[in-house]
Parts: sequence; structure tokens; C-alpha cells
Amino acid sequence: GENVEQHPSTLSVQEGDSAVIKCTYSDSASNYFPWYKQELGKGPQLIIDIRSNVGEKKDQRIAVTLNKTAKHFSLHITETQPEDSAVYFCAARGTGNQFYFGTGTSLTVIP
Amino acid sequence: GAVVSQHPSWVICKSGTSVKIECRSLDFQATTMFWYRQFPKQSLMLMATSNEGSKATYEQGVEKDKFLINHASLTLSTLTVTSAHPEDSSFYICSAPGWGTGELFFGEGSRLTVL
Repeated sequence: GENVEQHPSTLSVQEGDSAVIKCTYSDSASNYFPWYKQELGKGPQLIIDIRSNVGEKKDQRIAVTLNKTAKHFSLHITETQPEDSAVYFCAARGTGNQFYFGTGTSLTVIP
Repeated sequence: GAVVSQHPSWVICKSGTSVKIECRSLDFQATTMFWYRQFPKQSLMLMATSNEGSKATYEQGVEKDKFLINHASLTLSTLTVTSAHPEDSSFYICSAPGWGTGELFFGEGSRLTVL
């Protein structure tokens, strides 16, 4: 089955700086890679996603890149704000449409 | 995006009682829904896949008789924690893939505390 690894587990950045979270996956058949933001006591919220036929996608301050050859994808948040502080999960949709999640990154944006 | 609603958002119960958590897809139909359990500062652990009109598929190690799942309609799946014990206390989250898009949308989560 698919195995998704996520790094780092914790990340602290100064407000205004950029944050990068990286994930790797093992199943070359995986074709959809979403990123979720989870605030304390709430369910994960989809913030951006990328499909395997695209190398990069951007939505305002958030971008995701995908390297299919290396089997890794990354989340980039620019001009970070305190409200970006949360836990971020990457995921990969493998064969059978099952989703596999990374272990999460706790992002703290320091004002 | 699609909306998945979960209820209740938090519940406290006595040991030995049963608790039902509902998961609804509000603006789309979901033939499949997923139930997760999340421990503090940990990732999502898939418990079972709920299938409309048929039996749920449970992950290895998840007790079917303890965590009863019913998916009676295309918009509602329920998780019943039977004879709850303190070790069942956790954050339970449901999700559903969007119709045709394959995107996965999550409910708000339900915090269960068993005294």
C-alpha cells in the first residue's frame, strides 16, 4: 500500500516569512495530493490540492509543487500570518481511491 | 467546496453507555464515507469505510461490535460507540469524497469523553 511521510513535524516561522512542508509517497500510481489545515478541535479543511498531471498550483499565498519522478510534493506558504498557525496534513490518493495521510506538521507563526 | 456536517461536536457520557455520532453530506450524495479516530497531536487513523446500503469495511484492529457503522442513505452515515469506556475517549472525524471530483471533505469532528 501507499506510505506517506511528512516533514518537519513542527515548524516555527516569523510572521511574514515563508513556510515549507514536504511530503514523500511510495506508490507511483497515486494521482491526487491534497493538503489540509486543521485548527485545534476542528476537522481538517482542504486548502489546496494538485493532481498528477500538474507540476505546480498556486492559490494566493499558498502553493503546492509535485515531483512525480521523485515522488514528493511540497506545500509553500508565503507571507505567513498568525492565523496560518495550525496543523497541516498532506495526503495521497492511491489505488482504490483510498487516502493516505502524512503525520502532520504543527506550524507556529510568531508575531 | 462540498460540506460535510458532523453532530454532535462534543459529547460526554458515562462508562457503559452508547453514543451515536452522525455524519451528513449536506449538498452532495456520498455512497462512501470514512470514519477516523485522532489522538492528541497525532495523524488521522482510518477506522472504517462506510458504504451506502451495505456493510462497512473495518480496518485491521478495529472492533466491529464496538464501533457500529450504518450508512442508511446517500447523505447520512452514523458511528455508534457501544458500551463506551474511558479508553474510547477521542476525537472522531468523518469524511466523504465529493461527487465526481474525488476530493475528500471532512466533518467538523466529534470530541467524545467517557467518564
